[in-house]
Amino acid sequence: DGGITQSPKYLFRKEGQNVTLSCEQNLNHDAMYWYRQDPGQGLRLIYYSQIVNDFQKGDIAEGYSVSREKKESFPLTVTSAQKNPTAFYLCASSPLGLTNEKLFFGSGTQLSVL
Amino acid sequence: EDQVTQSPEALRLQEGESSSLNCSYTVSGLRGLFWYRQDPGKGPEFLFTLYSAGEEKEKERLKATLTKKESFLHITAPKPEDSATYLCAVRLWGAGSYQLTFGKGTKLSVIP
Repeated sequence: DGGITQSPKYLFRKEGQNVTLSCEQNLNHDAMYWYRQDPGQGLRLIYYSQIVNDFQKGDIAEGYSVSREKKESFPLTVTSAQKNPTAFYLCASSPLGLTNEKLFFGSGTQLSVL
Repeated sequence: EDQVTQSPEALRLQEGESSSLNCSYTVSGLRGLFWYRQDPGKGPEFLFTLYSAGEEKEKERLKATLTKKESFLHITAPKPEDSATYLCAVRLWGAGSYQLTFGKGTKLSVIP
């Protein structure tokens, strides 16, 4: 079945540690996105990528980094510079173009600080 | 200032009690308005896209409508399995058109 796979489901970070969240899609979508969700808040865009080897910052990119070496993969690294990393992280993908604009989401990764 | 405001924040309904959720937006140049359903601990699931004022879309017990300033998600005779958080998002024309801007959501609880 086609879809977006995020792993792990739960992740714990120690202070000063970098952690990487995985996102893989087999939908053949060009665009991929990372959103952060906090309780009582709307989803906020961290980074997005429309093509391999290219990505742009979203509204809250500080303390995060990404790579897009393959069309199928868009990993997110939460660095030690992100002082409040506890949140639910959602990866999404979409085709490009005017007629297929909806985002397909993965099942999320809950990141907590030890 | 929030560009997308959803109300109410939470709504409790008895099974079979119809109601509506509201999503108002203050942006101009709307390219599309999206409704998603999100269950606890899971990613949002797409429901509808609306593109122009007057447009309506239906799926089972849900109907979404759009005006120039807001959208409504009408729930007719809800069942307990409709309990979820419903998210509204907008996409704009021009710079930033890659991005969906989300509201904070309405948490719906349907009591048997």
